[in-house]
Amino acid sequence: NAGVTQTPKFQVLKTGQSMTLQCAQDMNHNSMYWYRQDPGMGLRLIYYSASEGTTDKGEVPNGYNVSRLNKREFSLRLESAAPSQTSVYFCASKGIQETQYFGPGTRLLVL
Amino acid sequence: DQQVKQNSPSLSVQEGRISILNCDYTNSMFDYFLWYKKYPAEGPTFLISISSIKDKNEDGRFTVFLNKSAKHLSLHIVPSQPGDSAVYFCAAERAGNNRKLIWGLGTSLAVNP
Repeated sequence: NAGVTQTPKFQVLKTGQSMTLQCAQDMNHNSMYWYRQDPGMGLRLIYYSASEGTTDKGEVPNGYNVSRLNKREFSLRLESAAPSQTSVYFCASKGIQETQYFGPGTRLLVL
Repeated sequence: DQQVKQNSPSLSVQEGRISILNCDYTNSMFDYFLWYKKYPAEGPTFLISISSIKDKNEDGRFTVFLNKSAKHLSLHIVPSQPGDSAVYFCAAERAGNNRKLIWGLGTSLAVNP
């Protein structure tokens, strides 16, 4: 039981490049989330998926897209990376009557 | 507009003493409050929670107190241990909002041996 896994762990991009951050959970949770954490800003919700087949914007969705591929997987895509997207990205999942479980994070540097 | 506020960015205590981390909120519709702990280079992990119908919840060395009239909650760690050194996030949620968590900015706790 791996919980929530994220790939890659670390990535360097040039401005304008695209990439997809992958997240998978093996806890049969319905809800999944993407957050970013920046110094002094706490955790900010980018997008979430309350159930398979649905996605909704969070607090800071601009510049990102998501796909809830199936119940297990929720990916975050940066179509054209910008230096302002340099951050640590966390994926989380949540079951009914449970708290959110987080992955280990992806550190992204956009030059 | 920060709905969940942790006004102390950092806190330092001696091993064995009590650590008290504070959190204030502005939205009276919040009905569930959580504390998460985060070590460097790891994701946050759930620590303890409290429903708005209670004023105290205890789990081992960790106790959370809720004062609804003051819109204030606190996390007490007794006794503090060096392994408790981490960033602690307060979060709140309410019904009808897909139960999304609203997060504070975190308090960095250092427990000195």
